[in-house]
Amino acid sequence: NAGVTQTPKFQVLKTGQSMTLQCAQDMNHEYMSWYRQDPGMGLRLIHYSVGAGITDQGEVPNGYNVSRSTTEDFPLRLLSAAPSQTSVYFCASSSGQGGYTFGSGTRLTVV
Amino acid sequence: AQSVTQPDIHITVSEGASLELRCNYSYGATPYLFWYVQSPGQGLQLLLKYFSGDTLVQGIKGFEAEFKRSQSSFNLRKPSVHWSDAAEYFCAVGAGGTSYGKLTFGQGTILTVHP
Repeated sequence: NAGVTQTPKFQVLKTGQSMTLQCAQDMNHEYMSWYRQDPGMGLRLIHYSVGAGITDQGEVPNGYNVSRSTTEDFPLRLLSAAPSQTSVYFCASSSGQGGYTFGSGTRLTVV
Repeated sequence: AQSVTQPDIHITVSEGASLELRCNYSYGATPYLFWYVQSPGQGLQLLLKYFSGDTLVQGIKGFEAEFKRSQSSFNLRKPSVHWSDAAEYFCAVGAGGTSYGKLTFGQGTILTVHP
C-alpha cells in the first residue's frame, strides 16, 4: 500500500495564482484532513471530510477550498495565493479506529 | 473548544537517560489523545493513541503515555532515550463521531539527544 500520497512535494507560486494540492489514499479511509504547519504553531486544521461528499471547515479555512467526490481523493485548492499561505501542507487519513496516517507533505512558497 | 498545550518547546537529554514530554489538553468530554513524532523534512508518524480503557498506553519505539483525567494530561515517557529519538513530538486531541476529523495539535516539543 502506498498510504497517503501528496503531490507535488515542492511548489513556488506567485501571489494571486491558484493551484491544487493533491492528496490520495489507498486504504479506503473515511476520514481525511488537511493541515498546515508553520514554525512554532504546530499543525492547524484547514478542512476535513468524514466521507465522500461531506466536508467541513477547520481552524484556518480562509483562502482554501476542498471537495471530496471519491473516498480516495481529497484535493486542496488555493484560490488566490498569498504570501501568508507559505507553509508546509499535510494531508492525513483515518479509518476512525486508530490514529491518522499522514502524507509526506507539500512545501509551498508564495512569492 | 479543544486545545493542547505542550509547555516545553525544547528538551535536551543524554542518550540513555529517561524522558518525559508534557501534554495538557482542554476538552469537554472524554478525549481521543495522540502522540506523533516528526523527523526533519518528514511527515508525522503515530507513536500511540488513547481512546478509552487502560490509562497507560504502550506505543511504538518503546514509548508509553499515561492519561490522567484529573490533571487533563497525557504525558509521553521513555525509560532510555536513543540518539535516533531526536525529533519533534506533537500531542493532539480529538473527538469521536462526526468530529473525528478535527484534531487539534500542540505546538510541539523538539527533542535533542546528546551522546
